[in-house]
Amino acid sequence: QSALTQPPSASGSPGQSVTISCTGTSSDIGRHSFVSWYQQHPGKAPKLMIYEVNKRPSGVPDRFSGSKSGNTASLTVSGLQAEDEADYFCSSYADIKTLVVFGGGTKVTVL
Amino acid sequence: EVQLVESGGGLVKPGGSLRLSCVTSGITFGNAWMTWVRQAPGKGPEWVGRIKDISQGATTDYAASLQGRFSISRDDSKKMVYLQMDSLRTEDTAVYYCAAGLCVGTNCHWDDAFEIWGQGTMVVVSS
Repeated sequence: QSALTQPPSASGSPGQSVTISCTGTSSDIGRHSFVSWYQQHPGKAPKLMIYEVNKRPSGVPDRFSGSKSGNTASLTVSGLQAEDEADYFCSSYADIKTLVVFGGGTKVTVL
Repeated sequence: EVQLVESGGGLVKPGGSLRLSCVTSGITFGNAWMTWVRQAPGKGPEWVGRIKDISQGATTDYAASLQGRFSISRDDSKKMVYLQMDSLRTEDTAVYYCAAGLCVGTNCHWDDAFEIWGQGTMVVVSS
């Protein structure tokens, strides 16, 4: 069982928006602004999409945005495109021996 | 080109050992803190552990769930990082990735945002 909780699936039509939640605790998401989001296509390594809650690495489209409130972080993908269909994982720095915790993943389907 | 390439995965019996390697290119390895992340089939990633750079004593930290069975080391002359896995269990079956954090200017997110990943190496623990 993953430390961070994500819904198993989300979907939207092309051009629409989808928002994925990621719920942690006061020891991880609630305490730190070091929340990241990763996109993973089948058979591939994860790709960093968001860091520090809402920052995008170079090359990541601005259709991807992040936010946080309390112990819950969110990723929004606006203007859905076919290539956005993938698994998305959240992660957070944590105040425990295990320094980084991940979510179980959300499969985004573009209808 | 920035690249991480893992090797050493395979089939091992419960209780056995395995050493994974990760060779790096295109990064300033001497300054890099290197992380291992694993992902069991159909599951989310799991942080395994991290080794800091030599100037920080090559300090290591590990996931609590590993209970001291794994250890990470580095060879800066070869730009390589290793994951020694002992007393392997069936639940250690996963793809193992080495990863490095995002650097924006001189600010590096070694422990919270992994920008560079290898292709992964599969470890299967089964009798």
